[in-house]
Amino acid sequence: NAGVTQTPKFQVLKTRQSMTLQCAQDMNHNSMYWYRQDPGMGLRLIYYSASEGTTDKGEVPNGYNVSRLNKREFSLRLESAAPSQTSVYFCASSVPQGAVEKLFFGSGTQLSVL
Amino acid sequence: GQSLEQPSEVTAVEGAIVQMNCTYQTSGFYGLSWYQQHDGGAPTFLSYNALDGLEETGRFSSFLSRSDSYGYLLLQELQMKDSASYFCAVNTGGFKTIFGAGTRLFVKA
Repeated sequence: NAGVTQTPKFQVLKTRQSMTLQCAQDMNHNSMYWYRQDPGMGLRLIYYSASEGTTDKGEVPNGYNVSRLNKREFSLRLESAAPSQTSVYFCASSVPQGAVEKLFFGSGTQLSVL
Repeated sequence: GQSLEQPSEVTAVEGAIVQMNCTYQTSGFYGLSWYQQHDGGAPTFLSYNALDGLEETGRFSSFLSRSDSYGYLLLQELQMKDSASYFCAVNTGGFKTIFGAGTRLFVKA
């Protein structure tokens, strides 16, 4: 099992360029997420999809859009990249673990916006 | 606002015990989880508490006090491979999980 797969692993963009980060999971999980991780700030939730066909905003959604293409795939789009979006992006899927969601993360995408 | 506070770093000796604390202030609370992340890697789930008390999983234990909005992760018999960042995370309701900034653990020989 590959788990959660993200592409690309590294990307450099110029300001105002657009790009889409791809994510797929093969664990048959209903819920998927996009987080960003900045030094000293932990992980912040951008968007999540509780199930196929639904998406909701997280803590820091501005400047991003998402698409839940099917149960397996959840993409994150930057329409007009800004230097403030330089970060490491993690996709995740989850299963219920008691009262919480147990998150499984992909290996991350390191994005630099110049 | 919502916040989770963790010490930025802690250093301990191989074979010792270390405790990493987390205090939280959130609009909702359904459980406290812990994740480990090695440099350049992805976070991985370690444990969670939904009710007060201690949960043990091998060398790892996690504690929660909901009345104090406080929890900790305890690592016993420290090994060099435990050097990593440790994040506490609160499920605030539905599918929203928010993370603390993490504690970086350095294990010395």
